[in-house]
Amino acid sequence: EVQLVESGGGLVQPGGSLRLSCAASGFTFSSYAMSWVRQAPGEGLQWVSGINSGGDRPFYADSVKGRFSISRDNPKNTLNLQMDSLRAEDTAVYYCAKSSSYGDRGYFDLWGRGTLVTVSS
Amino acid sequence: EIVLTQSPGTLSLSPGERATLSCRASQSVTSSYLAWYQQKPGQAPRLLIYGASSRATGIPDRFSGSGSGTDFTLTISRLEPEDFAVYYCLYGSLPRTFGQGTKVEIK
Repeated sequence: EVQLVESGGGLVQPGGSLRLSCAASGFTFSSYAMSWVRQAPGEGLQWVSGINSGGDRPFYADSVKGRFSISRDNPKNTLNLQMDSLRAEDTAVYYCAKSSSYGDRGYFDLWGRGTLVTVSS
Repeated sequence: EIVLTQSPGTLSLSPGERATLSCRASQSVTSSYLAWYQQKPGQAPRLLIYGASSRATGIPDRFSGSGSGTDFTLTISRLEPEDFAVYYCLYGSLPRTFGQGTKVEIK
């Protein structure tokens, strides 16, 4: 079955860290760029970070640059997001999304169900 | 950075009616990277349209996309009960940008 399954969300204090993972199956993971997209409660969608198929070109939204780090393990079909220096405004459901292409352009044609990250004291 | 502005914010219609949703870009964009998504409460977004006008796999033909340059439209020809949801446009070039969404609600 073609799917993405996120894990690692939870409650964390401001300034803390969390690591999200996304397990991919049913497609050739190493051929596609991947991204993380988040959605704050009651709000719209916001692209957070992406990485090319080879894993050597990460991209970040300005709002998370310097705090978040994206990586992938192609042999293990896994995408990761290391989130440091978390803020209340990072509270959101984080979705893993597959790109339609291998590079920095393309739409998202497969989404996971999301994992909730809550930053609160 | 491209800004996508969707209108209207909310569309109140009855089943069977036609829905027309707009997505306007702050500057001319490549149609190949313009996509539309549907999201229902508690669910992940679902791809409806890519390349501005191509329907994704399994999407009913009552959904259609059009436009070029800065103006794009998603049309639902006859609303079914399951079509009441929030719709987002996306421009798939860095930094990837979503519109703020249009909610299609039952009148």
